[in-house]
Amino acid sequence: EVQLVESGGGLVQPGGSLRLSCAASGFTFSSYAMSWVRQAPGKGLEWVSAITASGGSTYYADSVKGRFTISRDNSRNTLHLQMSSLRAEDTAVYFCAKNIAAAGPLYFDYWGQGSLVSVSS
Amino acid sequence: DIQMTQSPSTLSASVGDRVTITCRASQSISNWLAWYQQKPGKAPKFLIYKASSLESGVPSRFSGSGSGTEFTLTISSLQPDDFATYYCQQYNTYSPTFGQGTKVEIK
Repeated sequence: EVQLVESGGGLVQPGGSLRLSCAASGFTFSSYAMSWVRQAPGKGLEWVSAITASGGSTYYADSVKGRFTISRDNSRNTLHLQMSSLRAEDTAVYFCAKNIAAAGPLYFDYWGQGSLVSVSS
Repeated sequence: DIQMTQSPSTLSASVGDRVTITCRASQSISNWLAWYQQKPGKAPKFLIYKASSLESGVPSRFSGSGSGTEFTLTISSLQPDDFATYYCQQYNTYSPTFGQGTKVEIK
């Protein structure tokens, strides 16, 4: 059974940093691209970032480019999102999502339960 | 970025009704479209890819159609478990975008 479990969320002040992690199990983690998708309270879904299976290529939404960094550790089956220069508008539930392939089309067949990030003073 | 627009934003329906949700893309995306279902406080669930291909395990009452810029998700006979919010998502580029969602509520 595929499982994705996010951790690392919490309350942070504007301008601060936070690192999210996603522990994956139930599939060959190193064979699939992974993404982060967020959902602000009461709002829709917004793709944030993606990384190919090897980690060799990364992609970012314009709204987070230069502030967020996605990475993965295939030896530990773990995905990370390093978030810095956080803003109030980054407040959201952050979902870890499994891509359907090693690279290529970015759509997602499994999702974690999400980790809440709140940016407020 | 490609903008995705869903209609309606909210839909009131009864069990057994046939329900159709429309998703329009701001430019052609061929058939690179997925649909998801989300219930309150839960993660999205993957339903359909490539506009009309049903993910394994998804009930056959769900179907998708369309290409280019206009797409539909149809539920042939609405069941109690189907009351949820539905999102379309284009994956024509390496900057995927979602529609704003359509909430299907009980009439």
